[in-house]
Amino acid sequence: GAVVSQHPSWVICKSGTSVKIECRSLDFQATTMFWYRQFPKQSLMLMATSNEGSKATYEQGVEKDKFLINHASLTLSTLTVTSAHPEDSSFYICSASQTGIYYGYTFGSGTRLTVV
Amino acid sequence: AQKITQTQPGMFVQEKEAVTLDCTYDTSDPSYGLFWYKQPSSGEMIFLIYQGSYDQQNATEGRYSLNFQKARKSANLVISASQLGDSAMYFCAMREGRDSSYKLIFGSGTRLLVRP
Repeated sequence: GAVVSQHPSWVICKSGTSVKIECRSLDFQATTMFWYRQFPKQSLMLMATSNEGSKATYEQGVEKDKFLINHASLTLSTLTVTSAHPEDSSFYICSASQTGIYYGYTFGSGTRLTVV
Repeated sequence: AQKITQTQPGMFVQEKEAVTLDCTYDTSDPSYGLFWYKQPSSGEMIFLIYQGSYDQQNATEGRYSLNFQKARKSANLVISASQLGDSAMYFCAMREGRDSSYKLIFGSGTRLLVRP
């Protein structure tokens, strides 16, 4: 079945630094990638949608300069949290999909980010 | 705008009994999809079941079935013969549009605890 590899699975960084999270589709071409964040005991909140080769579409309230999304190829999308602060500490999870597949969302295993 | 509601923050069920997790949705798009995911403490999102808006029959996948009542805009998940391993967070999600290039929006989730 379809697999999305997400790395790192956890990261601790200092306040003010940047962190890059990668999501790679291993056996299919991910035409669309979705990025979510999840605070403890809460739901997944969609941050942005990206299509390969295009600029990401951010949800209302998400700072596009802070959360940089790159979807340069059909198998790789990255989320960079720039100038991270403690309030950015969260669980980030990606989901990849293939156009035309009506139920085909494949999730990565998630990245737990802690900013100290 | 699409909206998805789960009104049960937490549920208990006795092992081997059935349990129903509620989900209601709101959309003006005639073409949509409804999903249920399980999220154990590890954080991974496990796809359970899918129901398309034009599907005539309720979806079933093993011990999972989806009670789809289109007129009432509800898509309740029924888990039969509960097992201890079913203890997890359960999320209902909806996609407006015909395929997975469209974003998936999640409800607030229900935490299910299966008692031995």
